[in-house]
Amino acid sequence: DARVTQTPRDKVTEMGQEVTMRCQPILGHNTVFWYRQTMMQGLELLAYFRNRAPLDDSGMPKDRFSAEMPDATLATLKIQPSEPRDSAVYFCASGTSSGRAGAGELFFGEGSRLTVL
Amino acid sequence: AQKVTQAQTEISVVEKEDVTLDCVYETRDTTYYLFWYKQPPSGELVFLIRRNSFDEQNEISGRYSWNFQKSTSSFNFTITASQVVDSAVYFCALSSQGGSEKLVFGKGTKLTVNP
Repeated sequence: DARVTQTPRDKVTEMGQEVTMRCQPILGHNTVFWYRQTMMQGLELLAYFRNRAPLDDSGMPKDRFSAEMPDATLATLKIQPSEPRDSAVYFCASGTSSGRAGAGELFFGEGSRLTVL
Repeated sequence: AQKVTQAQTEISVVEKEDVTLDCVYETRDTTYYLFWYKQPPSGELVFLIRRNSFDEQNEISGRYSWNFQKSTSSFNFTITASQVVDSAVYFCALSSQGGSEKLVFGKGTKLTVNP
């Protein structure tokens, strides 16, 4: 079964520390999304890529968050410095899209649960 | 702006009852796509269905059925003869054609099916 793989599954860190979350999209998928889930805000889009190019990162706090795709098999989301309000579950999702037919089915990873103390 | 509203925060039913999860959406786009995802206690989101705005036919898949009505901007999800394994958080989502493929999610409805 092809799956989106995220690491780490759980991360506890102290305020001010750098956090990097990694995602391996499903082989052959050309779109990658980062979502954040909190009780208060629900699922929020942070950033997304098509063919490794960033298309939209308007949902991401630019001063501390950065998202990249160094290659087609790896997407990263970095927070530096981390703050307690960044505590959430971060999901990566991948799919296939030409950009003309809207979003297709997205496959989500199991999420990375981040706790910032 | 796009918006998805799931007014029911939590629903609790007894096994074998039918249950309908409501979803109301807002968009100015004429072409758009609607989705339902399931998030079981394990945490991952599982795709259930995708419909485009031109296809208002209801869909049935086993015990699941979906009712799409453009006139009321609703895309409701019904589970017939619910089972304990249906307990999860269900999310309705919306995306548009034409450059922005991002999904806008509702806040989710937590369904608990009791034995």
